[in-house]
Amino acid sequence: GESVGLHLPTLSVQEGDNSIINCAYSNSASDYFIWYKQESGKGPQFIIDIRSNMDKRQGQRVTVLLNKTVKHLSLQIAATQPGDSAVYFCAENRGNTPLVFGKGTRLSVIA
Amino acid sequence: DADVTQTPRNRITKTGKRIMLECSQTKGHDRMYWYRQDPGLGLRLIYYSFDVKDINKGEISDGYSVSRQAQAKFSLSLESAIPNQTALYFCATSDHPRGILRTGELFFGEGSRLTVL
Repeated sequence: GESVGLHLPTLSVQEGDNSIINCAYSNSASDYFIWYKQESGKGPQFIIDIRSNMDKRQGQRVTVLLNKTVKHLSLQIAATQPGDSAVYFCAENRGNTPLVFGKGTRLSVIA
Repeated sequence: DADVTQTPRNRITKTGKRIMLECSQTKGHDRMYWYRQDPGLGLRLIYYSFDVKDINKGEISDGYSVSRQAQAKFSLSLESAIPNQTALYFCATSDHPRGILRTGELFFGEGSRLTVL
């Protein structure tokens, strides 16, 4: 079946550097994408979303890029901080269907 | 107080026992979900409910059942727990603005860690 997945299970970055977390999706019909952050011992929390009619969306220190041609989603975190250490999940859906989550990437920030 | 509350937060039980995980929300959302999280497998959908009269199976519903007692309450049951149901379980809710047929952002509880021995 179709699924959402991630290229890298772990990512280590130096504090202050930019982080890029990638996600590949296989359902070409998906039209809505979300990034979640999960800190240790907590439930996932919304970071940013993007609809398929957009290529880029920016938030505070975060940017999501969507490349529909190659079915690729990325989350960029500027000036990564220790508090950014967490597991990041991408999720996708189409219309009224429930979100489907990827397997997650663990981001470790090195002070 | 949390908007989405799960009880219990931690539970250890034995194979064959019946277990109920409860979820209540104060967000006023119509839609509620149960996900299971296993290391390296992400979040997988067990059951979801779009309103109190609606129950739908997710990707991994076998061995589980649910009850939507009210708009604010959605419980997950394991009728006869087995060790491979050891996992972290999350309840989530989402809003359904009138006229907008889209799942949208999910709001998660803090999780219920279940260990089946």
